[in-house]
Amino acid sequence: DIQMTQSPSSLSASVGDRVTIACQASQDISNFLNWYQQKPGKAPKLLIYDASNLETGVPSRFSGSGSGTDFTFTISSLQPEDIATYYCQQYDNLLTFGGGTKVEIK
Amino acid sequence: DVQLVESGGGLVQPGGSLRLSCAASGFTFSSFAMNWVRQAPGKGLEWVSSIIGSDDDTHYADSVKGRFTISRDNSKNTLYLQMNSLRAEDTAIYYCAKDRWVVPATLDYWGQGTLVTVSS
Repeated sequence: DIQMTQSPSSLSASVGDRVTIACQASQDISNFLNWYQQKPGKAPKLLIYDASNLETGVPSRFSGSGSGTDFTFTISSLQPEDIATYYCQQYDNLLTFGGGTKVEIK
Repeated sequence: DVQLVESGGGLVQPGGSLRLSCAASGFTFSSFAMNWVRQAPGKGLEWVSSIIGSDDDTHYADSVKGRFTISRDNSKNTLYLQMNSLRAEDTAIYYCAKDRWVVPATLDYWGQGTLVTVSS
């Protein structure tokens, strides 16, 4: 089974800050990685697919990069509406989610 | 518009059974893989099971293999999850999620979830 490790598990940043989340796969998954946003009490929402492609309608301040085992998710300028938990997910071998990163406003 | 509406959740005793349903609309149901993902209270997302678009190829997480069965009725645009031998650790919100592809990969639409509570 492929394990996905996200870091940090939580972070606090100010509005306008650049926020970066890391996701590491236990083996090479090429670019078979997605990122989701989950706001409290809501279902997850797809933000980034295939490691770096922005889903239609998602603001351009969100971005993703990486391949192989190491991936990064970035919010270029944190907004109040970005308060949520973010998850990476691999699909090289079935599906596995990372543990999540809770983003809060400082 | 794509819509996914789960139903069938509730309170069940340990060892009991429950069948979840997910009614889909707004897309050609048989053309896409469908998935169940769960979230225990205060915890992260856990993939549970997937079924391929047009046939009966199914996949399960080790934690539910042998106890849960995923199925689909393409004539009714409905996804199911039969859950047997339920345990306390199965307590979670269960989400139905459409895949972008015919095989499990990218979950582009999600339902609002249905809560399953396993407790005596």
